[in-house]
Amino acid sequence: KQEVTQIPAALSVPEGENLVLNCSFTDSAIYNLQWFRQDPGKGLTSLLLIQSSQREQTSGRLNASLDKSSGRSTLYIAASQPGDSATYLCAVLGGTSYGKLTFGQGTILTVHP
Amino acid sequence: DAGVTQSPTHLIKTRGQHVTLRCSPISGHKSVSWYQQVLGQGPQFIFQYYEKEERGRGNFPDRFSARQFPNYSSELNVNALLLGDSALYLCASSLSGGSIDTQYFGPGTRLTVL
Repeated sequence: KQEVTQIPAALSVPEGENLVLNCSFTDSAIYNLQWFRQDPGKGLTSLLLIQSSQREQTSGRLNASLDKSSGRSTLYIAASQPGDSATYLCAVLGGTSYGKLTFGQGTILTVHP
Repeated sequence: DAGVTQSPTHLIKTRGQHVTLRCSPISGHKSVSWYQQVLGQGPQFIFQYYEKEERGRGNFPDRFSARQFPNYSSELNVNALLLGDSALYLCASSLSGGSIDTQYFGPGTRLTVL
């Protein structure tokens, strides 16, 4: 059974800092890994999708890496801003149940001015 | 283009009642998935549908059912509601639900069971 863990559970940083969010998964037989952002009480916004054959993806100030063999992914946020405050979720698409994303519990990020 | 839409936004029910939640995918998307997100946790997979056929089912009781219509919209039905069914119900759409597809999520329906 796939399990996804995110560390830390919560993070508070001053504006302008670079930060790293971590995600680990137990079964390396994945098709892809996605990072999402969720604002309080809202739906999920897809940030980055990394296919299993890729090592990293970049979008603006965000960079996500994937090491499938070790079951790890990181989301790097450069020059953080108060508007980045949200919950960040990683999810893996595995091969045993078609279309099923398995999510971590998320990291609650607070960027204070 | 409109994103994934869900209705209603909020819903309050009492134990034992049933509820129907609705989802309209992004235009051109043929796959819809449903997730349940309890407060403080990550979403849990309930169902995936593609071309009106169920493709995947998560570990949820038979009280949960769903269907997809010819226009690719979908309904999630929950019977005999329990307090523990209180959650944010999320719908996601993708082109085919395949491994290269990004899943796009709607804003969710907040269900409260009293």
